[in-house]
Amino acid sequence: DQQVKQNSPSLSVQEGRISILNCDYTNSMFDYFLWYKKYPAEGPTFLISISSIKDKNEDGRFTVFLNKSAKHLSLHIVPSQPGDSAVYFCAASAPSNYQLIWGAGTKLIIKP
Amino acid sequence: GAVVSQHPSWVICKSGTSVKIECRSLDFQATTMFWYRQFPKQSLMLMATSNEGSKATYEQGVEKDKFLINHASLTLSTLTVTSAHPEDSSFYICSARVAGDEQFFGPGTRLTVL
Repeated sequence: DQQVKQNSPSLSVQEGRISILNCDYTNSMFDYFLWYKKYPAEGPTFLISISSIKDKNEDGRFTVFLNKSAKHLSLHIVPSQPGDSAVYFCAASAPSNYQLIWGAGTKLIIKP
Repeated sequence: GAVVSQHPSWVICKSGTSVKIECRSLDFQATTMFWYRQFPKQSLMLMATSNEGSKATYEQGVEKDKFLINHASLTLSTLTVTSAHPEDSSFYICSARVAGDEQFFGPGTRLTVL
């Protein structure tokens, strides 16, 4: 049973527009969420995180929103740039548990 | 969906001992598995690429004699940290490639060397 789900395997967005990547989770004990970006042949790099005490965290063009009641988080990228084309993973962890539970990833393609 | 497990999830060992970490693909076969080490600021460093039935390919700067990788079957890869020292304490994550660039990540193993 996947505790963290990214239901869209791929997403295509026009350059300059907003990219919205979604992630759903089932474990209400998760209290920390992270987004990673991964280029082919490279390891994932950390993008942005959010604690469950917040509902929004912003860093430059990247904003993560957390809706605890819906067990849903989303990553917004505005404006989208060609270099944003990559696979995006969301991950979650629970208190006192060092493990990260990962989503399957969403491939974002930014069209010129 | 594809599930990757790691065992153990957390291990504490004394300096000088060796620790083995297992990475298993539970419901699919993975010809390629990857081992990562997580550093501060959450980025993952690729340590090595493990191909079933052949020697692992190590990234530059990773000591292959210290981090032994064995990919004995299509569902199991192991990472052995030999003669572990406190500086090896870290979070180790594996992933398994299904097709193309699609990877599924394990939950990670936290190693603490005393």
